[in-house]
Amino acid sequence: GENVEQHPSTLSVQEGDSAVIKCTYSDSASNYFPWYKQELGKGPQLIIDIRSNVGEKKDQRIAVTLNKTAKHFSLHITETQPEDSAVYFCAASMGSNYQLIWGAGTKLIIKP
Amino acid sequence: DADVTQTPRNRITKTGKRIMLECSQTKGHDRMYWYRQDPGLGLQLIYYSFDVKDINKGEISDGYSVSRQAQAKFSLSLESAIPNQTALYFCATSDVGDELNEQFFGPGTRLTVL
Repeated sequence: GENVEQHPSTLSVQEGDSAVIKCTYSDSASNYFPWYKQELGKGPQLIIDIRSNVGEKKDQRIAVTLNKTAKHFSLHITETQPEDSAVYFCAASMGSNYQLIWGAGTKLIIKP
Repeated sequence: DADVTQTPRNRITKTGKRIMLECSQTKGHDRMYWYRQDPGLGLQLIYYSFDVKDINKGEISDGYSVSRQAQAKFSLSLESAIPNQTALYFCATSDVGDELNEQFFGPGTRLTVL
């Protein structure tokens, strides 16, 4: 079955710098790759997603890139701000009728 | 009001007790999910339901059961709780459609089994 690995488990960056979180997946049939942000005491919330027919997607300060050949995808956050501090999860699935397989999460710490 | 609500938000129980966690949603979504979150392990799917008459096991269903009472309600039961079921439990919903993959999560229930 599908397996998703996420690195690093903790990432500490200076406010204003960029942060990159990487995930690899094992099943080449996976075609949907979302990223969720979980703030303290809350459930995860979708922040951006990408499908396998697209190599990159941007939304203001966040972007996701996908390399289907290498089976990895990454979340990029530029100009980090204190409110970016949270746990970020990547996931993969073969479509809406299939379950999401989740990475273990990355705790992002933004240092003032 | 929150779209996905979970009750209780916190629960402490003893080994061997039966416990039910409840989830309600006002989003009108057909699909509902129960996840378990442990530190360093991400989210693991326990059960999911694509409509009222459909119940499916996830990765870690042993020791759990579910009931889909209505489109808006999906409850998770631990028949005989054990300490390694201590975790954060999330309910989620999603809409139907090839492009509608987003899952909407409740605030979570923190369960401690002594």
